[in-house]
This record gives sequence, C-alpha cells and structure tokens, in this order.
Amino acid sequence: SYELTQPLSVSVALGQTARITCGGNNLGSKNVHWYQQKPGQAPVLVIYRDINRPSGIPERFSGSNSGNTATLTISRAQAGDEADYYCQVWDSSTVVFGGGTKLTVL
Amino acid sequence: QVQLVQSGAEVKKPGASVKVSCKASGYTLTDYYIHWVRQAPGQGLEWMGWIKPKSGGTNYAQNFQGRVTMTRDTSISTAYMELSSLRSDDTAVYYCARDASGTTSGDSFDYWGQGTLVTVSS
Repeated sequence: SYELTQPLSVSVALGQTARITCGGNNLGSKNVHWYQQKPGQAPVLVIYRDINRPSGIPERFSGSNSGNTATLTISRAQAGDEADYYCQVWDSSTVVFGGGTKLTVL
Repeated sequence: QVQLVQSGAEVKKPGASVKVSCKASGYTLTDYYIHWVRQAPGQGLEWMGWIKPKSGGTNYAQNFQGRVTMTRDTSISTAYMELSSLRSDDTAVYYCARDASGTTSGDSFDYWGQGTLVTVSS
C-alpha cells in the first residue's frame, strides 16, 4: 500500500519560514492536499491539489509538489500556526494520510 | 454556509456497535460524497471509507471491511457510519468530511464535522 512520510516535528522562529515535507513514491504525479489541525479541533484544509489555497486561508500558506516530495511552506510564521499538519493523497481509490507533523513556533 | 454536524459522544462496551450521524446543511447532501475519518487519542488521521449519498454506493477501507457500514437518509440530509464488534482500540474521534469534487470522489476534504468521540471500555 502507498505510504506518505512526514517528519514528526518541525520548529520555526516567530516570523520566519516553516517548511513541512511529505514524501512518497512518485508523489509528483499525484494531487497532494494539506490539512491543519489544532488541539481539540477538526482538521481544516489549507492547501488542495498541490498549490491551491481555499478561501480564507492566508497567502502565507503555499504548497509545491515535485518528484517524490511535496512541501507545505508557511511564511512569516505566527503563534497561531502552531498545529499538526497532515498531507493526503488518493492512491488506487483509497485515501492515504501522512503521519502528521507537529509545527512548533518558537 | 456549509456545515456538517455530528451526533454526540458515545461510550460502548467491547463487542457492541456504534452508529454516528452527520447532518449536512447549507448544501444538498446528494451533490457530494461523504467520507469518514477517525483519529485515535494522540494519533494521526485514518480514512475509513466513503458513501455516495445520491446512490448509497460505498467504498470501505480494507482495515474496516466487514465491520463498517455507511448509510444515508436523504430526506433528512444525514449520513451515518456504523462500526460493529467494537474493541478498545476503536476508541477514537470519528469525523465525517465532504469530498470537494462533487459528484465524483477523489479530491480534498473541504468541510469536516466537529467530530464524535467514541469510547470503548468495559
């Protein structure tokens, strides 16, 4: 079965740029979606189909996907960005989530 | 505005079944697939399957086949997920989520329910 690999944790200084990676075999050929989840809350879609932001998501959130790695980039990180982030793809009619990355804003 | 409102927390004994509801508002239930995703305490997201509310067709993740049943009642815009033969490791928050693609599946999940905590304990 298809697997997505994310780092367990990423730290970023306040106001700096955070990059969260998601790895998978030939991932660049798939559409990657990203979700933000804060403690006690449901996930929220922040990037869909690699690079697109839903309405209401700040421009500070961006995505890319090439080769075997997709990246969620959060510019000018704020305290409110501290959360768990999950990547997600479809593979053979099945939904696959990455294991999640905890973003800490220092 | 689009909302998915789920039923309240449940406590079940091992071997029992649980049925969680997900009421859609702000759009027509039959226009979008509904997925179910669960999250065990301190763990990541696990996809359980989808239902196509227009036809009632389903697709279940292999891990849950034989134990999960997804249904819907279009007259009240509500989808359901029933999980049987509950075990302690089924203790989790269960979410419903809407597939953004509309009448086909295969896209992101653009709206989520608030989650339903199911606790399995003797």
